[in-house]
Amino acid sequence: GENVEQHPSTLSVQEGDSAVIKCTYSDSASNYFPWYKQELGKRPQLIIDIRSNVGEKKDQRIAVTLNKTAKHFSLHITETQPEDSAVYFCAAFYTGGFKTIFGAGTRLFVKA
Amino acid sequence: DTEVTQTPKHLVMGMTNKKSLKCEQHMGHRAMYWYKQKAKKPPELMFVYSYEKLSINESVPSRFSPECPNSSLLNLHLHALQPEDSALYLCASSQLASGVNTGELFFGEGSRLTVL
Repeated sequence: GENVEQHPSTLSVQEGDSAVIKCTYSDSASNYFPWYKQELGKRPQLIIDIRSNVGEKKDQRIAVTLNKTAKHFSLHITETQPEDSAVYFCAAFYTGGFKTIFGAGTRLFVKA
Repeated sequence: DTEVTQTPKHLVMGMTNKKSLKCEQHMGHRAMYWYKQKAKKPPELMFVYSYEKLSINESVPSRFSPECPNSSLLNLHLHALQPEDSALYLCASSQLASGVNTGELFFGEGSRLTVL
């Protein structure tokens, strides 16, 4: 079946450093790739997304890149802050359906 | 209003109890979802309603019974649950337009369920 692999499972960085999380998807029909941030005890919230007709998207300190040929997409967070500490889920989705395939999650720790 | 509201926030129930989780959204989204989330795991899809009709049931045990009374409301009826059903239950919605799902999920805060 469809799956999304996400690495690393845990990432610890110093405040101000960059963090990169990588995902690989299997279903070539996927055309929407969201990233959700989930703080402890809270709901997952969309932080950035990218659609398959775009290779890169940036929103302030957060950027996402997509390589459709390789079926890879990545999240880049620059100038990390302690409030970036959370679990990040990548996901792949086909807009003709209803199933979001989530990666296993990356627990990001930003040390002050 | 871009909120999905879930009640109750916390629920403790015995294995013989009957309870319901409720979810409401007023964004005009015509797809609504129930997810189950265990600690340190991603959300796991249970049910999908589109245009108030059940579209997907991910082989969920019949002790979980979903209901979509109208385009804004989604319920999950619980009966004879097991301790392993203890989890965070998340409701979500997404926008449908001309048969296309935008894909962006708006999650509620969740109902944390403990089954004793």
